[in-house]
Amino acid sequence: DIQMTQSPSSLSASVGDRVTITCRASQTISTYLNWYQQIPGKAPKLLIYGASWLQSGVPSRLSGSGSGTDFTLTIESLQAEDFATYYCQQSYSTPYTFGQGTKLEIK
Amino acid sequence: QVQLQESGPGLVKPSQTLSLTCTVSGASISSGPYYWSWIRQLPGKGLEWIGYIYYTGRTDYNPSLKSRITMSVDTSKNQFSVNLRSVTAADTAMYFCARVGKDGHSDYWGLGTQVTVSS
Repeated sequence: DIQMTQSPSSLSASVGDRVTITCRASQTISTYLNWYQQIPGKAPKLLIYGASWLQSGVPSRLSGSGSGTDFTLTIESLQAEDFATYYCQQSYSTPYTFGQGTKLEIK
Repeated sequence: QVQLQESGPGLVKPSQTLSLTCTVSGASISSGPYYWSWIRQLPGKGLEWIGYIYYTGRTDYNPSLKSRITMSVDTSKNQFSVNLRSVTAADTAMYFCARVGKDGHSDYWGLGTQVTVSS
């Protein structure tokens, strides 16, 4: 299985800040990397697919980049609704695997 | 708007079979090119991909669960299902169904259903 490692595991930030979450794959996955946001008690929500393609309806202050093994999710100008847990997922090969999550908290 | 809804018992006894169904509305399971998947989230933990099924019945399961899992699809009801046999407390989780795009991303999710394994 491909292992996905996110960093940091948790992050404190303020409204208006710019934050970056990283995700590393244990082997190359090209750009088969997806990012999800999960609010407690809710289902995950797709934010970015194919490493950098913004899902319809997702604000443009979110962006993704990377290829191969190293990827980043960047959120510009944090808003209150951004405080949640973020997961990366590789869909290069099955079993699809997720990172352990990054919890973004209000400072 | 595509919607998915999980259904099934919230409580299953150890060693029994967990059976869940996902009903899809707003899209036809049999129209392709999407796969239909199950994902679970253990209490306070991250996400685990269980497997997916295509409307033709083609499946791909997580090897960690493969010996206990069967997925099926009912195109007449626009539903797909999962059976997980011989459950233990370790299978207690929130179970989600989701639609999978051609590049493997899950763009629509059900709300999830909590399943507890306990006697």
